[in-house]
Amino acid sequence: AQKVTQAQTEISVVEKEDVTLDCVYETRDTTYYLFWYKQPPSGELVFLIRRNSFDEQNEISGRYSWNFQKSTSSFNFTITASQVVDSAVYFCALSGPRNSGGSNYKLTFGKGTLLTVNP
Amino acid sequence: EAGVAQSPRYKIIEKRQSVAFWCNPISGHATLYWYQQILGQGPKLLIQFQNNGVVDDSQLPKDRFSAERLKGVDSTLKIQPAKLEDSAVYLCASSPFPRGASGANVLTFGAGSRLTVL
Repeated sequence: AQKVTQAQTEISVVEKEDVTLDCVYETRDTTYYLFWYKQPPSGELVFLIRRNSFDEQNEISGRYSWNFQKSTSSFNFTITASQVVDSAVYFCALSGPRNSGGSNYKLTFGKGTLLTVNP
Repeated sequence: EAGVAQSPRYKIIEKRQSVAFWCNPISGHATLYWYQQILGQGPKLLIQFQNNGVVDDSQLPKDRFSAERLKGVDSTLKIQPAKLEDSAVYLCASSPFPRGASGANVLTFGAGSRLTVL
């Protein structure tokens, strides 16, 4: 069974602070995919990043960076110099490897972390 | 590229009534998903279609929920009769799987349909 744990329910920071959102996952698959999605107040889930389990290279995209560590089953997300527009619920998600039917591609989500960035 | 369209955005019904939600995925996306998101929780998969066939409906409460995807394009999710615990946002998503291997499992979500059952 797959499981995603986001231990931080809510985080509140002041604009320009750095903030890290934690994600810990469990899976028996040797190949899997990890995702981060953002859900602003409008409700639409917005895709941020996907990582393959065999690629532990960390990634930076503008103010966003991701730290993937298989040894600790963690895929943490850092926002540098946070802005008010970053306020949203952030979800970490996990899917299995591709199979012929594609059913393993279903996403298992964590409960999300509500990030509030105050001016 | 147009996104995933869902309607209605909001629906309020009494328990034991029925409701239907509609989803139009991104053009050309073979796979369509319906997720249920209860307040304060992450989305949970209800059903996954590939073209017009069901791939996974293991978490769909089949005694009251049904879904179809005629002609492999639009999809409808129905709840009959609704219970109080069905109050949630129903999210539709699509992905290009099986074509487009590099982005096959990147889901694009619609804005959701918020259901309140009184």
